[in-house]
Amino acid sequence: GAGVSQSPSNKVTEKGKDVELRCDPISGHTALYWYRQSLGQGLEFLIYFQGNSAPDKSGLPSDRFSAERTGGSVSTLTIQRTQQEDSAVYLCASSLLQGELFFGEGSRLTVL
Amino acid sequence: DQQVKQNSPSLSVQEGRISILNCDYTNSMFDYFLWYKKYPAEGPTFLISISSIKDKNEDGRFTVFLNKSAKHLSLHIVPSQPGDSAVYFCAASDLSGYSTLTFGKGTMLLVSP
Repeated sequence: GAGVSQSPSNKVTEKGKDVELRCDPISGHTALYWYRQSLGQGLEFLIYFQGNSAPDKSGLPSDRFSAERTGGSVSTLTIQRTQQEDSAVYLCASSLLQGELFFGEGSRLTVL
Repeated sequence: DQQVKQNSPSLSVQEGRISILNCDYTNSMFDYFLWYKKYPAEGPTFLISISSIKDKNEDGRFTVFLNKSAKHLSLHIVPSQPGDSAVYFCAASDLSGYSTLTFGKGTMLLVSP
């Protein structure tokens, strides 16, 4: 498709398990972002990839969170030893131009 | 410390009237501002933007106003339509580099027929 694709759309897991969320950005977009939206909160920045530069990881809330982007395209966000407070919608976005992000539909994570 | 604030969690407006959504920011380095619209179970979609060299940008029924001295921007929707009912996020960044967007918490707009 032409848009940002995320999978899975919904994920329910038990506390302590690891999860992987995938993002397939728009073809040709050099920048890729991960945000999350917890209940009643705004969009919280997690991590940002731009081309071949080192990623900006300043938004990752703990060392249980990591992300990689292979070949400048697909990205995977990994959460290890999930906690209930990790429950949120995880949104991926990509951009070609500064500022105008195109978002995927998000992956809703529920940690029981 | 919230750098982008949307102090109204919700707003109700009648169809045909004007909707005004407000946003305040604290970081004086911000000089590029955007509004995103989000329907339930969908990702946010870009609506309109404004850079600090302008104080107004208009696109159809949507107008964004920027008051740099007050660090305040607003989104006006005229006339409001039921299909405008969604959560609206204000976002800001600086143009000095490829900085990330900082989002507000959003305002849920409900336009009733």
